[in-house]
Amino acid sequence: DAKTTQPNSMESNEEEPVHLPCNHSTISGTDYIHWYRQLPSQGPEYVIHGLTSNVNNRMASLAIAEDRKSSTLILHRATLRDAAVYYCIRVNYGGSQGNLIFGKGTKLSVKP
Amino acid sequence: DAGVIQSPRHEVTEMGQEVTLRCKPISGHDYLFWYRQTMMRGLELLIYFNNNVPIDDSGMPEDRFSAKMPNASFSTLKIQPSEPRDSAVYFCASSLRGALSPLHFGNGTRLTVT
Repeated sequence: DAKTTQPNSMESNEEEPVHLPCNHSTISGTDYIHWYRQLPSQGPEYVIHGLTSNVNNRMASLAIAEDRKSSTLILHRATLRDAAVYYCIRVNYGGSQGNLIFGKGTKLSVKP
Repeated sequence: DAGVIQSPRHEVTEMGQEVTLRCKPISGHDYLFWYRQTMMRGLELLIYFNNNVPIDDSGMPEDRFSAKMPNASFSTLKIQPSEPRDSAVYFCASSLRGALSPLHFGNGTRLTVT
């Protein structure tokens, strides 16, 4: 069972950085960490993914702990549009290629 | 690209009726997924296809649910007969390499069964 643990909710102020944590203490060597987010009334959208080293893209940064048992999604300047549920998902690259299982995620609120 | 297109956006039907949800994946994507989302159970994977072939349907709740992919550009999810507990938002998604590459989701179909 490829589980991760995230806080149920977090709050942030607009234009401030946000650090969304994720614990995956039983991660295996072939598990990548993927992040998706779901804006209200929309389908989930891909944010970022990584294996060992930190990753950056236009949406966010992903910091992965050296022991890979945890990771943090970083939004550098939160906007109101970033209010969403953020999902941290383990994806096993050695297993089923359909195995994208969503947990409950973290609901991020952004205050003006 | 228009992205993943689902229809209808909203469906209201009476218990016992047949419901058909439709999905057009992104051209060139070999994988297609059907998910269901409810407040109680969150996002659940129902079934996924690779190259139009169903690979894993273990998430399909019961025999009332069926999914088909007759060609690379079209898939359906059918519920017959529908029940009130089937009320949910149903999402279709497609990707190049299954879960290993980003899934692109449609805007979903909100189904209400009365």
